[in-house]
Amino acid sequence: KAGVTQTPRYLIKTRGQQVTLSCSPISGHRSVSWYQQTPGQGLQFLFEYFSETQRNKGNFPGRFSGRQFSNSRSEMNVSTLELGDSALYLCASSWGGNEKLFFGSGTQLSVL
Amino acid sequence: EDQVTQSPEALRLQEGESSSLNCSYTVSGLRGLFWYRQDPGKGPEFLFTLYSAGEEKEKERLKATLTKKESFLHITAPKPEDSATYLCAFASNDYKLSFGAGTTVTVRA
Repeated sequence: KAGVTQTPRYLIKTRGQQVTLSCSPISGHRSVSWYQQTPGQGLQFLFEYFSETQRNKGNFPGRFSGRQFSNSRSEMNVSTLELGDSALYLCASSWGGNEKLFFGSGTQLSVL
Repeated sequence: EDQVTQSPEALRLQEGESSSLNCSYTVSGLRGLFWYRQDPGKGPEFLFTLYSAGEEKEKERLKATLTKKESFLHITAPKPEDSATYLCAFASNDYKLSFGAGTTVTVRA
């Protein structure tokens, strides 16, 4: 069975631009979460979606947003990119939320 | 404030040298303590979930245990392929996992 798929794998942007990352969860999973991973801060929770509704949001500025579609696929968007947004962005899916998460390989975003 | 702390930050082991990783937590409403393994360039891979004090789970050379304040991941007779970063995380009541900083384990042949 296919795992969590994230695209693109690598992305290079410049300050001020915006970016959209995509995540396809495991078939049948309805919960999709997004995490930011940096060497200094570790894994930080961004938000979680279930059946197209955002159920929880982490402590990130409004420049970070997301959405989930009816087929459970999810996108996250970062507007007005800053150098500090350079990170590995990980998507994870699960059936309902708090049980074990299945992570994708992530999108490595570099902001120059 | 809910938080999780892992120690040590890094661990270098000789093949066959058993050791333990620590994950201490302060959580008001724990709904599961999770252990993940992460290899370079990849997302975390689920290992175990523990729900109550006294619970233990095993998988090959790994054994996770849980008390009221901490969890341990014991690595018995490790092999080089056990080299990875091990992350613990807790689930609270609001559909998110809060991760520790991780312990990077290096096993030398």
